[in-house]
Amino acid sequence: AQSVTQPDIHITVSEGASLELRCNYSYGATPYLFWYVQSPGQGLQLLLKYFSGDTLVQGIKGFEAEFKRSQSSFNLRKPSVHWSDAAEYFCAVAGLDSGTYKYIFGTGTRLKVLA
Amino acid sequence: DSGVTQTPKHLITATGQRVTLRCSPRSGDLSVYWYQQSLDQGLQFLIQYYNGEERAKGNILERFSAQQFPDLHSELNLSSLELGDSALYFCASSVRGQNTEAFFGQGTRLTVV
Repeated sequence: AQSVTQPDIHITVSEGASLELRCNYSYGATPYLFWYVQSPGQGLQLLLKYFSGDTLVQGIKGFEAEFKRSQSSFNLRKPSVHWSDAAEYFCAVAGLDSGTYKYIFGTGTRLKVLA
Repeated sequence: DSGVTQTPKHLITATGQRVTLRCSPRSGDLSVYWYQQSLDQGLQFLIQYYNGEERAKGNILERFSAQQFPDLHSELNLSSLELGDSALYFCASSVRGQNTEAFFGQGTRLTVV
């Protein structure tokens, strides 16, 4: 069965610092991987996705993520964090599970940005 | 704007009552997913429909049910409500349910008092 682990529940960084949010997944085949961001009181917005090809994917708002098959990871990075990046971030894996295409989300990482 | 519309945005109701949450997917999307987001449980998958048929069930209680209509909109029915059902309920849609991302609505915040 598919599963996603985001080991960090909360992360605090200073504005301008670099950011890395961790995501590990479990899936038998090549997964489809996503990062979503949720601002307070809002729905989830897609940041970036990986389906195949180049393992380093670029997303919106200056985010990027790298797929590492050997580590079953899909970590999200940003070189310089802005105060507006404070939000909750969800990693998701999608793929066939018992004949049905499913999206499974991690528990989320809440990012706090210090001025 | 994701193109997924959920109504109502907020709902306050008493324990024991029944409510219906509505979701209109993006134009052309055949798959609809329902999720529950609470503080202590994170984002939990409830149920998925594809072109009117139920495709997958997650952690959905027997008091909850859903359906997808011929026009592809979906409704999530919650009955015999308990205080613990208070949460954000999200609907998401995708084109065919495969090889694409899911687009989320803004959610319905349900408060049971």
